[in-house]
Amino acid sequence: DIQMTQAPSSLSASVGDRVTLTCRASQSISDFLNWYQQKPGKAPQLLIYAASSLQGGVPSRFRGTGSGTTFTLTIDNLQPDDFATYYCQESYTTRWTFGRGTKVEIK
Amino acid sequence: QVHLQESGPGLVRPSETLSLTCSVSGDSVNSASNYWSWIRQSSGRGLEWIGFFSSTGSANYNPSLKSRITISVDTSKNQFFLRITSVTTADTAIYYCARGLPRRRLDSWGRGTLVTVSS
Repeated sequence: DIQMTQAPSSLSASVGDRVTLTCRASQSISDFLNWYQQKPGKAPQLLIYAASSLQGGVPSRFRGTGSGTTFTLTIDNLQPDDFATYYCQESYTTRWTFGRGTKVEIK
Repeated sequence: QVHLQESGPGLVRPSETLSLTCSVSGDSVNSASNYWSWIRQSSGRGLEWIGFFSSTGSANYNPSLKSRITISVDTSKNQFFLRITSVTTADTAIYYCARGLPRRRLDSWGRGTLVTVSS
């Protein structure tokens, strides 16, 4: 089974910061990697698919890069609405495994 | 704009069957290239993909759950369904239905429904 490891598990940042979240797969998944944002009490919301494609309606300050086993989600100019938990998800295998998430908190 | 809504009992007894319905509006469960999916979330397991029913008529299930789950579709009602048999307390979670698009991205989610397994 593929393991998806996200780091860090949480971070504190200020409005206007640039933050970088990392997701590592235990084996190559090509670019079958999606990123979601989840706020408390809400369903996850798709941000990035196929590692680097921005989902429609998502602000351009969200950027995804990577392929193979290492992926990053960068948020430029962090906004108050961006404080949330972010999950990566592989869609390469038949398990569509999610990472455990990175919680972005206000410093 | 697509809208999905989960419905079903909030409490299920251990060893019984969990049954949930997802009602879809704004898209057809017959739409080509879509994956009508179920995902659950618990504090212990995090987010866990359960399975999907594709518009091609095939179902694909998480191998860890495959022996207990069935996902089906009613095109006349534009709904799809989840059944999990022989539930245990480990099946307690928030259950989401979602639409999957090409590249297997889950672009639209329901609000989720909490299912508690308890006697």
